[in-house]
Amino acid sequence: GDSVTQMEGPVTLSEEAFLTINCTYTATGYPSLFWYVQYPGEGLQLLLKATKADDKGSNKGFEATYRKETTSFHLEKGSVQVSDSAVYFCALIKEGAEGSQGNLIFGKGTKLSVKP
Amino acid sequence: DAGVIQSPRHEVTEMGQEVTLRCKPISGHNSLFWYRQTMMRGLELLIYFNNNVPIDDSGMPEDRFSAKMPNASFSTLKIQPSEPRDSAVYFCASTHPGTETQYFGPGTRLLVL
Repeated sequence: GDSVTQMEGPVTLSEEAFLTINCTYTATGYPSLFWYVQYPGEGLQLLLKATKADDKGSNKGFEATYRKETTSFHLEKGSVQVSDSAVYFCALIKEGAEGSQGNLIFGKGTKLSVKP
Repeated sequence: DAGVIQSPRHEVTEMGQEVTLRCKPISGHNSLFWYRQTMMRGLELLIYFNNNVPIDDSGMPEDRFSAKMPNASFSTLKIQPSEPRDSAVYFCASTHPGTETQYFGPGTRLLVL
C-alpha cells in the first residue's frame, strides 16, 4: 500500500544552519505531497505542498521539490531559526473512494530542535 | 474564522469509562477526519466523512470506537469502554470542497488510567 518514509529524528541544529529532512514515498499513481509542521502543544499546519512531478512547494523559507524519478520530497531550509523548532511530517494524499476527498498518509515525523 | 474546534482539550478518565470527543469543522468544509497520534505509532487515520457520510473507517481500532457526524458542523468520536492503550492525542481535521489541504484542530489529549 501507499506509504511515506522520513528520516528518523531528532535533528538538532544551531541557528542559521542548513536543514534537510529526507522523505520518500511509495504510491500508485501520482499523489500530491505535503509537509506539515506541528509546534509544541498544537495541531498540524500545512507548511507546503506539491501536486505534480517537478513542482516546488515553498513557504517561510522552506522548500521541497516533487521528484518522481526518486519518489522523494525532501524538505530544505537554508538558514533555520529557533522558532523553526517543531515536528515535521511528510505526507501524501490517497485518492478517496468514488472521487471523494482522500485521506493523508503521514510519515512518522522528524523532531527538529534549533539552538541559539 | 475560528478554525477547527475540538473539545475537551484534555481528558483524564479511568479504564472502563465512556469517553466522547467532539469536533466542529470549519464552516463550509465538507470532509472531516479523525486521527490518533501516539509516540509508538505516529499519526493514524481513524475515520473520515465526506458530506457527513463515513467513507473509510478501516482505521477504527475495534468496536469500542465509534464516530458520528449528525450534521455538517459537528462530529463525535466515542470510546466505550476506554482502555489505557487508548491514551493518545486525537486530532480532528477538515477540508474545503475541491481542495486537498487539511486544517487540523488543536487536539484532545486523552489519558486513560
